[in-house]
Amino acid sequence: DVKVTQSSRYLVKRTGEKVFLECVQDMDHENMFWYRQDPGLGLRLIYFSYDVKMKEKGDIPEGYSVSREKKERFSLILESASTNQTSMYLCASSLSWGGRETQYFGPGTRLLVL
Amino acid sequence: QKEVEQDPGPLSVPEGAIVSLNCTYSNSAFQYFMWYRQYSRKGPELLMYTYSSGNKEDGRFTAQVDKSSKYISLFIRDSQPSDSATYLCAMSATGSGSRLTFGEGTQLTVNP
Repeated sequence: DVKVTQSSRYLVKRTGEKVFLECVQDMDHENMFWYRQDPGLGLRLIYFSYDVKMKEKGDIPEGYSVSREKKERFSLILESASTNQTSMYLCASSLSWGGRETQYFGPGTRLLVL
Repeated sequence: QKEVEQDPGPLSVPEGAIVSLNCTYSNSAFQYFMWYRQYSRKGPELLMYTYSSGNKEDGRFTAQVDKSSKYISLFIRDSQPSDSATYLCAMSATGSGSRLTFGEGTQLTVNP
């Protein structure tokens, strides 16, 4: 089974802090994604990566950056956390670049920014 | 206007009921249609996948796609308390690769 793990289930940070969210997948998937999930807004794509050191902006990249130094690991960085970044963050991976490729999700990190 | 619209519910039904979950979309380029199920405090997991128009059945679940109406549905027969979850529709266009556009999700509760 594909396993996508996220470094933390719950995080509490202060405004202005730099926050790192890490995601690791164990199935040699090429593509990795970061979403945030908010009530009334559903899942929104922040960034994705289709290869090591490659990244593409999603629909809401402002205030975020990403890093993919190894194929299995995709990090989301909040350079200076703000209260409007309080959300559930979900990481996903998929095998290759095709419309029918299943995305496999991690359990999510619930981030609270005070 | 959102590209994908989904009634957020919540939807509450008795055990054994037939459940209908629906999404509409505006992008005629969408070709791949998926339903994900998300249990509380978990990540979404793929439930059903359909390419283009038509029906697909898997046990108690049936996915329907009507591209002419830009409308997709998920039917759950003989619903069980274990079906209580949030159901998200997702879709992608040819050429967009694995990039998905999600609906808001419908929260379903099946009462014993």
